[in-house]
Amino acid sequence: EPEVTQTPSHQVTQMGQEVILRCVPISNHLYFYWYRQILGQKVEFLVSFYNNEISEKSEIFDDQFSVERPDGSNFTLKIRSTKLEDSAMYFCASTTASSYNEQFFGPGTRLTVL
Amino acid sequence: AQTVTQSQPEMSVQEAETVTLSCTYDTSESDYYLFWYKQPPSRQMILVIRQEAYKQQNATENRFSVNFQKAAKSFSLKISDSQLGDAAMYFCAYSNFGNEKLTFGTGTRLTIIP
Repeated sequence: EPEVTQTPSHQVTQMGQEVILRCVPISNHLYFYWYRQILGQKVEFLVSFYNNEISEKSEIFDDQFSVERPDGSNFTLKIRSTKLEDSAMYFCASTTASSYNEQFFGPGTRLTVL
Repeated sequence: AQTVTQSQPEMSVQEAETVTLSCTYDTSESDYYLFWYKQPPSRQMILVIRQEAYKQQNATENRFSVNFQKAAKSFSLKISDSQLGDAAMYFCAYSNFGNEKLTFGTGTRLTIIP
């Protein structure tokens, strides 16, 4: 069964460093999302992406964040200068236009900022 | 903005018994989707069940069913014949019609007592 994959599973970085989180959505999906979950808290929406542009972004998604679909398969989230409060689990999700918005989630990348 | 409320931080149930998890939401839309996601200790987000707001019939998936009360803006999840593998965090989620972001509740941690 097709699945969303994410790499790396765990990333440790120093405050101020840039990180890139990678996702490979399900191949026929057209809508892509990033969410984050700070430990013990709820899942929060960051950004949605369709047709090579951002559809919607939350107030969390400030100028330090960017997304890109550099080729036909990868979908990346870049954090330019990480802060301690960026430590969280980051989930990528994808869906098709005809799936009643059933979003399929990847296993997540755990980001630890020291 | 839409909000999702889960008022039960923790629930427990004896194995083989039935448990109901509560969720309420607030929206001014008439067409939307509601979801229950399961998050086991691995932290993977797994879709359990989906409900379209325009459908009066409650969704069911094997041992999982919902009680959708549109006027009351209530969307509870019933798990029948609880199994040890059902132990997880359960998140209620809302999205507008279309391929829009998911808005999650704060989750209910379900413990299964052998």
